[in-house]
Amino acid sequence: GAGVSQSPRYKVAKRGQDVALRCDPISGHVSLFWYQQALGQGPEFLTYFQNEAQLDKSGLPSDRFFAERPEGSVSTLKIQRTQQEDSAVYLCASSPSRGSTITDTQYFGPGTRLTVL
Amino acid sequence: AQKITQTQPGMFVQEKEAVTLDCTYDTSDPSYGLFWYKQPSSGEMIFLIYQGSYDQQNATEGRYSLNFQKARKSANLVISASQLGDSAMYFCAMRERSYDKIIFGKGTRLHILP
Repeated sequence: GAGVSQSPRYKVAKRGQDVALRCDPISGHVSLFWYQQALGQGPEFLTYFQNEAQLDKSGLPSDRFFAERPEGSVSTLKIQRTQQEDSAVYLCASSPSRGSTITDTQYFGPGTRLTVL
Repeated sequence: AQKITQTQPGMFVQEKEAVTLDCTYDTSDPSYGLFWYKQPSSGEMIFLIYQGSYDQQNATEGRYSLNFQKARKSANLVISASQLGDSAMYFCAMRERSYDKIIFGKGTRLHILP
């Protein structure tokens, strides 16, 4: 497809369940980012991949959060033992360049809305 | 310290009028980039416009322009001739040279009235 896609678009989980959120970046994009957006807030950075290498995971809120991008394209964000405070929209973004280029625009997917009951 | 400040939680503007969305930022890095994104109710973040800290001229993209005042650390978005489809959340964001991530403000919800 032409843009970043994410699946599922909506996910309801019971507290304590594990969830996996998928991101398909724009074809050929080297960099991939995950953000968490709480209701009424701006997105907050979670983690960053350059190809398959996870270069920054400083934003992951706890060790229950894990992200991977094993072949440098599709990425999965996994949340173990979900808690109510994990309820948010999880946004994935990709950008074409390899390095930390200020001008590098990040293109976002539609997000996955996670609700933990 | 908050890096991006958007002081207008919500705005109501009459269709076809121009609108200015305020954004101030804080950084000690001389090299940075500023972005504006639009987020409609569908949830997707749509890139609108970019301004680099060393750019001499204000950025423009169609009906969007960025009023960049470096000394005041201000990067306001101006939308000319507003349309009903402009109703959405608007986020100002910044990327510093030393970081890959983008830092977002809390957003401004814009309502265009017919």
